[in-house]
Amino acid sequence: EIVLTQSPATLTVSPGDRATLSCRASHSVSTNLAWYQQRPGQAPRLLIYGASIRATGIPDRFSGSGSGTDFTLTINILQSEDFAVYYCQQYNNRPPITFGQGTRLEIK
Amino acid sequence: QVQLAETGGGVVQSGGSLRLSCTASGFTFSNYGMHWVRQAPGKGLEWVAFMPSNEDNKYYADSVKGRFTISRDNSKHTLFLQMNSLRTEDTAVYFCVNEKPIPIKMVRGVVQYSYYMDVWGNGTAVTVSS
Repeated sequence: EIVLTQSPATLTVSPGDRATLSCRASHSVSTNLAWYQQRPGQAPRLLIYGASIRATGIPDRFSGSGSGTDFTLTINILQSEDFAVYYCQQYNNRPPITFGQGTRLEIK
Repeated sequence: QVQLAETGGGVVQSGGSLRLSCTASGFTFSNYGMHWVRQAPGKGLEWVAFMPSNEDNKYYADSVKGRFTISRDNSKHTLFLQMNSLRTEDTAVYFCVNEKPIPIKMVRGVVQYSYYMDVWGNGTAVTVSS
C-alpha cells in the first residue's frame, strides 16, 4: 500500500499571502495524484487531478505540481474561503486508494 | 450537473447491520466506477470500497473486508453498501464518489486510462454504539 505523508500538519498564513502544501508518496505514483479541499461540515471537493490539472470551476490561484513521489499544492492570494483542510490522494494502480492525513490551513 | 445523494445512515448497536444507498443523477451512472469513502469524527478520509462500471469485480479496504458488500443497480442509478457485523470503529460519515477517466498513455495504439475520484455526495452518518 502506498503511504502519503502531508506536511505540514497545520499551516498558518495571512489572507492575501501564498500557501504551499506538500505531499510525499512512499512509492512512485507517476502523476496519479489528486488534491481535495474540505471545509467544516462539508464533503471534500476536487481541486486538482493528474497532479496539475485544475478541476472544473477551480480558480487559477490553485495550482498543483510534481510527479513520482513529491507533490505540491500552491494557493496564491489566499481568500477567506480557502482556509480549510486539504488532502492529497493517490489513485495509481487502484485499489487501494490512499489519502494523506491532511493539512489544516489556518488564518494568521 | 453530477449529483450524488447518500441515505440510510443512523444509529445501530455493535454487531448490527445497515444498508447505505447512493442515488446518482446528471451522468450515465452505468458507465462509471463508484467508491465509498468514510470519515470518522475529527479524522481524515479512508477509502472503503470500489465497484467498477462493469460490475465484474469488487474491492475492499482490509478494515471492512468480509463484513461490507458493495453493489449497484444501474437501472436505478443507485450504489449500495451493505454493512454487517458493525463495530464502534465503523462510526463515520460515509460518502459515495464517482470516478472519471483521464488518458495517460498510448500502448500499441490503444489509449490507457487512469481514474480519479471526481464528485462526492454530502455523506450519511453512521454511529455504532457499544
